[in-house]
Amino acid sequence: EAGVAQSPRYKIIEKRQSVAFWCNPISGHATLYWYQQILGQGPKLLIQFQNNGVVDDSQLPKDRFSAERLKGVDSTLKIQPAKLEDSAVYLCASSLALGPTEAFFGQGTRLTVV
Amino acid sequence: AQTVTQSQPEMSVQEAETVTLSCTYDTSESDYYLFWYKQPPSRQMILVIRQEAYKQQNATENRFSVNFQKAAKSFSLKISDSQLGDAAMYFCAYRSFSTDKLIFGTGTRLQVFP
Repeated sequence: EAGVAQSPRYKIIEKRQSVAFWCNPISGHATLYWYQQILGQGPKLLIQFQNNGVVDDSQLPKDRFSAERLKGVDSTLKIQPAKLEDSAVYLCASSLALGPTEAFFGQGTRLTVV
Repeated sequence: AQTVTQSQPEMSVQEAETVTLSCTYDTSESDYYLFWYKQPPSRQMILVIRQEAYKQQNATENRFSVNFQKAAKSFSLKISDSQLGDAAMYFCAYRSFSTDKLIFGTGTRLQVFP
């Protein structure tokens, strides 16, 4: 089966610019996660969707970050305006809803803010 | 709120030897799932092993096994017969049974020496 697709793989922007990341989860996976992974750290959960509804966005900096999941399939994560500290890898993962099934990860987008 | 702690930032092992990575977690839930993920330099997160909290038997997957101590909230990973390809970041992860929320520890970098 096709895996989780993310684009772009790399992005370099200047601070105060905006940027968007796209994720296409595995077909049929109701749960979708976005993580921020700063170099040398563990992934930090930004937002979790169940179909097209938000389950948890407690760690999403809502003054600059936004995310949506259209029709419960693809998802986009946007940052506007970007700050230097937003430099990180942004990982998208998906899984079947509930149960001990694993979450499958995309290869991530490496964002550099200069 | 649930938390996951990995107290070993780095570990090293010689090829063919055995190494154990530690993980502790905190939760008020009685049902949950625990995972170990491997992240090589390519950034792709790969599932190593999973454990359902309601199962007393420790999970094993070939050279990988866990020591799950529910009362102590401990979930360590043992890698036997270590191989050069095992070198990577290893993340312990907790998934809520009720909400599907998936959170990670800070990771342990494993080096394997020939």
